[in-house]
Amino acid sequence: EVQLVESGGGLVQPGRSLRLSCAASGFSFDDYAMHWVRQAPGKGLEWVSGISWNSNNIGYADSVKGRFTISRDNAKNSLYLQMNSLRPEDTAFYYCAKDRKYTGNDFFDYWGQGILVTVSS
Amino acid sequence: EIVMTQSPATLSVSPGERATLSCRASQSVGSILAWYQQKPGQAPRLLIYGASTRATGIPARFSGSGSGTEFTLTISSLQSEDFAVYYCQQYNKWPLTFGGGTQVEIK
Repeated sequence: EVQLVESGGGLVQPGRSLRLSCAASGFSFDDYAMHWVRQAPGKGLEWVSGISWNSNNIGYADSVKGRFTISRDNAKNSLYLQMNSLRPEDTAFYYCAKDRKYTGNDFFDYWGQGILVTVSS
Repeated sequence: EIVMTQSPATLSVSPGERATLSCRASQSVGSILAWYQQKPGQAPRLLIYGASTRATGIPARFSGSGSGTEFTLTISSLQSEDFAVYYCQQYNKWPLTFGGGTQVEIK
């Protein structure tokens, strides 16, 4: 059974940093691209970032480019999102999502349960 | 960036009736489109990919159609568990983009 479990969320002040983690199990993690998708409370879905199986292909939404960094450790079956210079508008549930393929240009066939990040003073 | 627009924002339907949801892309995405269902407090769930292929375990009452810039998700006979928010997503180009969602509510 595929499982994606996010951790590292919480309350943080504007301008500070936070690192999210996603622990994957139930599939061959290093065969698939992975993504982060966020959802502000009561709002729609927004793709944040994606990374290919070998980290050679990485992309970001314009809203986070230059502030967020996605990475993965295939030996640990883990995905990460380093979030710097956080803003109140980054407040959202952050979902880890598995890509159907290895490149990152596909749909999301499994999602984690999400973790809340709140940016507020 | 490819902008995805969904309509209507809210759809009121009685159980057993048909629901038709629309999604429009600002440029052609071919058939590179997925639909997701999200219930309150839950993560999204994949329903349809490739514009018309049902994901594993999705009931036959869900169907997708369209190509290019115009897409439709049809729920043939709404069941109580189908009342939720539905999102379309293009995965033809980065940045991957979602529509704003259609909430299907009980009439």
